[in-house]
Amino acid sequence: AQSVTQLGSHVSVSEGALVLLRCNYSSSVPPYLFWYVQYPNQGLQLLLKYTSAATLVKGINGFEAEFKKSETSFHLTKPSAHMSDAAEYFCAVTLTGGGNKLTFGTGTQLKVEL
Amino acid sequence: AAGVIQSPRHLIKEKRETATLKCYPIPRHDTVYWYQQGPGQDPQFLISFYEKMQSDKGSIPDRFSAQQFSDYHSELNMSSLELGDSALYFCASSFTGTGEGNTQYFGPGTRLTVL
Repeated sequence: AQSVTQLGSHVSVSEGALVLLRCNYSSSVPPYLFWYVQYPNQGLQLLLKYTSAATLVKGINGFEAEFKKSETSFHLTKPSAHMSDAAEYFCAVTLTGGGNKLTFGTGTQLKVEL
Repeated sequence: AAGVIQSPRHLIKEKRETATLKCYPIPRHDTVYWYQQGPGQDPQFLISFYEKMQSDKGSIPDRFSAQQFSDYHSELNMSSLELGDSALYFCASSFTGTGEGNTQYFGPGTRLTVL
């Protein structure tokens, strides 16, 4: 079985500051890991994914994440926050191979302040 | 690029009624997934289909059923609706070919409200 834990249900940063959203995973086999963003009353948009290629993954909107097997982590970062980044962010894990369900973390609500 | 299409976007039903949600996956995608997201919750996996066959089942109530048709679109049928079924229902699709890493692309969701 696989799971993810997102530390911090709410994170607040100032505009221009570093964004760091934490995600730790648990999986009995090498996982695939994803970050999705959800704006209010909207669907889930894929930010980036780790599928066992490069450990540092770059995504859309200036976000990136690094897969660290030794720490079982896949934290999401962005060097400089923008007001438009305010949203809910979900880390998700699935087993390698095709057709497997996603297991989501409980989400982190990011607030960006002026 | 084409995305996952879900219809309807909003649905209001009374208790004990039935509802049918539709999902049209991205062209060439062979797997469809259904997730339920309650208010303030993370999405929970319900059921999935690969090449029109049920491939996995999660926490889907017996009152719910789903299928995938020959054109790969999928329908989630919900009967004897309860107040607790009020949620956002997402459909996602993926292509199991190499290089995709089981990446699932989500539709905009159907917001079901049960009164």
